[in-house]
Amino acid sequence: DVKVTQSSRYLVKRTGEKVFLECVQDMDHENMFWYRQDPGLGLRLIYFSYDVKMKEKGDIPEGYSVSREKKERFSLILESASTNQTSMYLCASSFEVQQYFGPGTRLTVT
Amino acid sequence: DQQVKQNSPSLSVQEGRISILNCDYTNSMFDYFLWYKKYPAEGPTFLISISSIKDKNEDGRFTVFLNKSAKHLSLHIVPSQPGDSAVYFCAASARGLNEKLTFGTGTRLTIIP
Repeated sequence: DVKVTQSSRYLVKRTGEKVFLECVQDMDHENMFWYRQDPGLGLRLIYFSYDVKMKEKGDIPEGYSVSREKKERFSLILESASTNQTSMYLCASSFEVQQYFGPGTRLTVT
Repeated sequence: DQQVKQNSPSLSVQEGRISILNCDYTNSMFDYFLWYKKYPAEGPTFLISISSIKDKNEDGRFTVFLNKSAKHLSLHIVPSQPGDSAVYFCAASARGLNEKLTFGTGTRLTIIP
């Protein structure tokens, strides 16, 4: 079974803090993705990566950056957290089209 | 610009009856479609998919229908069970371009016992 793990299930941070969300997959997948899920807006793609050290912007990259130093790990970075980044963050990996998701991180920025 | 639309935010169905969830898309480059199911505080899990060369795909209680000319797909669940209560997302991909998925906004399905 594919396993995608995320470093935290729940996180509370203050405005202006730097936030790291970590994602690890164990299936040697090439592709990894970061989404945020908000009520009424569905899943929106923030960044994705097709290979180590490679990244591409998704639909809403503003205020975020990513890092992929190893194939199994894809990190999402909020350089200076703001209250409008309070959301559920979901990581996924894929070999072809079907994506496998982690359990999500509920981030609250106060 | 919402390329994948789920116009019903919520749906309630009696246990044992058929649940029909709908999804429309605008991008004619999409050629592969997936449905995901999501419980609260969990990540989405893959349910069923369909390629544009087919118009129907079945897996147990779940059937997905694709109408390419109308750019419409639907997910049928029959019979509906209480454990089916969740948020359902449809997603689309243009496989010739990349492996990105474009998701709809989701439909919350509630099965009434």
